[in-house]
Amino acid sequence: DGGITQSPKYLFRKEGQNVTLSCEQNLNHDAMYWYRQDPGQGLRLIYYSQIVNDFQKGDIAEGYSVSREKKESFPLTVTSAQKNPTAFYLCASSIGRTPLHFGNGTRLTVT
Amino acid sequence: DQQVKQNSPSLSVQEGRISILNCDYTNSMFDYFLWYKKYPAEGPTFLISISSIKDKNEDGRFTVFLNKSAKHLSLHIVPSQPGDSAVYFCAASALGTYKYIFGTGTRLKVLA
Repeated sequence: DGGITQSPKYLFRKEGQNVTLSCEQNLNHDAMYWYRQDPGQGLRLIYYSQIVNDFQKGDIAEGYSVSREKKESFPLTVTSAQKNPTAFYLCASSIGRTPLHFGNGTRLTVT
Repeated sequence: DQQVKQNSPSLSVQEGRISILNCDYTNSMFDYFLWYKKYPAEGPTFLISISSIKDKNEDGRFTVFLNKSAKHLSLHIVPSQPGDSAVYFCAASALGTYKYIFGTGTRLKVLA
């Protein structure tokens, strides 16, 4: 059963700590994406990757980092430099310019 | 600069009536548009898309209309059902890119 798995669903961290969110897909999609959802601001693009070992900054990349060492995996690290890290994070994938397929998200709370 | 705008944060409709959700964009290079439905604490689910070579696309109860000169698209849901209550996002992509820009969403409530 193909899909995107984001883990964990809820994550809690102390301010000043880096945290890595996992995203794995078995859809054989080339492109992967990270979005952030905040109330009233919709989905904002953090990073995206069209192929392995390549990725581009989205609209709000500051304070985040990614890697794309495998086609199936696109982990997102929220660093201590991100000023407002508490949010709902969504990972997605696609093949070519087809509709994005989303995971069920990770809610990160930093206190 | 918000390139994709959904100016109505919320919409309430009676069950069985038509729901019309609107979306405006500013980038004339956008040529592929999508609508997604999202429930709380879940990922968005794809509903319907339209390419700029068309002005209408239908899929069951869902129809998307594209007005390129006005840089406007709309999603029509007929008839509306209580299960349609969710947040709806429009998204757009420009030719030659894999980058999808989303609007801020419209919360639809269908009243039984």
